[in-house]
Amino acid sequence: TQLLEQSPQFLSIQEGENLTVYCNSSSVFSSLQWYRQEPGEGPVLLVTVVTGGEVKKLKRLTFQFGDARKDSSLHITAAQPGDTGLYLCAGLTGANSKLTFGKGITLSVRP
Amino acid sequence: DADVTQTPRNRITKTGKRIMLECSQTKGHDRMYWYRQDPGLGLQLIYYSFDVKDINKGEISDGYSVSRQAQAKFSLSLESAIPNQTALYFCATSDTRDRNTGELFFGEGSRLTVL
Repeated sequence: TQLLEQSPQFLSIQEGENLTVYCNSSSVFSSLQWYRQEPGEGPVLLVTVVTGGEVKKLKRLTFQFGDARKDSSLHITAAQPGDTGLYLCAGLTGANSKLTFGKGITLSVRP
Repeated sequence: DADVTQTPRNRITKTGKRIMLECSQTKGHDRMYWYRQDPGLGLQLIYYSFDVKDINKGEISDGYSVSRQAQAKFSLSLESAIPNQTALYFCATSDTRDRNTGELFFGEGSRLTVL
């Protein structure tokens, strides 16, 4: 069974602060995705990382895929209330091309 | 209009009743999925289908069944609902041509409460 551990599970910060959250596994993934889910909606893809060591930036969000393709981090600079939501990472393996989801990180950014 | 549409959005039912959740998509994707989301447990895969005649069990298929009536439609049934099936259910789609990245497109969810 491939498990993705996300940490921390909950995070509450003040607007303007920086934060880093993590997605770790003992398994190797061919790619890894980060989704954000807002209340009452389905998850929406933020980014896919494919290459070990890859860094992708999406405005104030920076995503990194570990060199061994087993882990990933998400760094948010100067967090805003609009960043509030549930952040899910999901790893893709070659077998059947199915995604394995982590349990998610609930982020609350206070004005 | 949403590309992936789920009906109903909310449903309250009683133990033992049969429930069907429906999903339709206009994205033209061949792959469709049903997930269940519970607080603190993330998304768990119930069933998935890569084509109209293809049905596969996911991690938690017991107590559920599915039907892929057409490429655009994938329905989830609970033959005899029980309270621990109370959850938020999501339908999702993906494109085989995108299988190396496997992006999922989710519906807005169906909240089911079993009393």
